[in-house]
Amino acid sequence: QKEVEQNSGPLSVPEGAIASLNCTYSDRVSQSFFWYRQYSGKSPELIMSIYSNGDKEDGRFTAQLNKASQYVSLLIRDSQPSDSATYLCAPYNTDKLIFGTGTRLQVFP
Amino acid sequence: DAGITQSPRHKVTETGTPVTLRCHQTENHRYMYWYRQDPGHGLRLIHYSYGVKDTDKGEVSDGYSVSRSKTEDFLLTLESATSSQTSVYFCAIYGNTIYFGEGSWLTVV
Repeated sequence: QKEVEQNSGPLSVPEGAIASLNCTYSDRVSQSFFWYRQYSGKSPELIMSIYSNGDKEDGRFTAQLNKASQYVSLLIRDSQPSDSATYLCAPYNTDKLIFGTGTRLQVFP
Repeated sequence: DAGITQSPRHKVTETGTPVTLRCHQTENHRYMYWYRQDPGHGLRLIHYSYGVKDTDKGEVSDGYSVSRSKTEDFLLTLESATSSQTSVYFCAIYGNTIYFGEGSWLTVV
């Protein structure tokens, strides 16, 4: 079992819809979780971090964490074509980030 | 933008030659990381550093060495480059979160 699992996609959603990106992790020690967005040919950029169970909202983005289920998700409301990218989930454990392979999101007009 | 720069940004080298990639930060952060990114594998940790002269291995450290003689610089060396080390290499630093450099594209022919 991989440490961090994400559906590789592509996840295709129409403009204006909600995109739901999911991630499961195997290490129960992880306490912090990060979502990064990566455009093709570019470096990952941080979208959100979440540390506590529940929801955390930042603009159009909502991160959800359930440590008991070892599950973290990212919701993108009012999806825009500019949100088309690969989204990387990364638990932080023992001084390092371990990444999933990412989910490719496509938002079509 | 976080003060992190990578050099060189692009390099083509021959199999068997040594290669050194440099990561430079202006943030005075303690933690620095080297990742590689390949299709289907996502970002994988090669080595990381938690202080001057303090380094540790990541999940794909074979064939790589690192050095950190100053807080601001973290060097990644491929002692004898192989075609399997053709990849994009990202340096990252940890402040209140982890920020990435722009990447170094390495091709080993």
